[in-house]
Amino acid sequence: QKEVEQDPGPLSVPEGAIVSLNCTYSNSAFQYFMWYRQYSRKGPELLMYTYSSGNKEDGRFTAQVDKSSKYISLFIRDSQPSDSATYLCAMYDYKLSFGAGTTVTVRA
Amino acid sequence: DVKVTQSSRYLVKRTGEKVFLECVQDMDHENMFWYRQDPGLGLRLIYFSYDVKMKEKGDIPEGYSVSREKKERFSLILESASTNQTSMYLCASTSTGGTDTQYFGPGTRLTVL
Repeated sequence: QKEVEQDPGPLSVPEGAIVSLNCTYSNSAFQYFMWYRQYSRKGPELLMYTYSSGNKEDGRFTAQVDKSSKYISLFIRDSQPSDSATYLCAMYDYKLSFGAGTTVTVRA
Repeated sequence: DVKVTQSSRYLVKRTGEKVFLECVQDMDHENMFWYRQDPGLGLRLIYFSYDVKMKEKGDIPEGYSVSREKKERFSLILESASTNQTSMYLCASTSTGGTDTQYFGPGTRLTVL
């Protein structure tokens, strides 16, 4: 069993829809939770970073962490075609462990 | 603007060849990492280095070695390339602790024939 599970999708939504992404994990030692965004033919870049359980908002993006359920989510409100990318969750204990990434397409 | 560069975007090699992938960062970061990215598997850590001449194995080090002779440069070496090493290779760096943002290069798409 992988430490971090993420549905690879792909996910296709119309412009303006809410995109919901999630990851589950098995390692209770994970303390820091991140979401990276990767555009085609580019390296990943950090999108959101959370430490504790709860919500963190940054513009149209909301990251949620539920440590009791070992479940994290990323929501994108009012999605735009420019949000089309692969989104990878990542978690840290002594190193970063990545999910497989979910490919999202926002249709204009 | 922070920058991690990788020597090649695309590389085609033959089975058995020795392959060098180079990564350079201009942020004076202590920590550098090599990952491979495969569909459905995400990023998997091959090796990392937390200082010059220091290296640590990641999750999948078999068939790879690394070299860090200078702080800004971290090389990944495939001693004898095999077809199952066909992949996207990503280099990253971060300043101090592992919780810091990892800055990634654009990746090298390696095909081993």
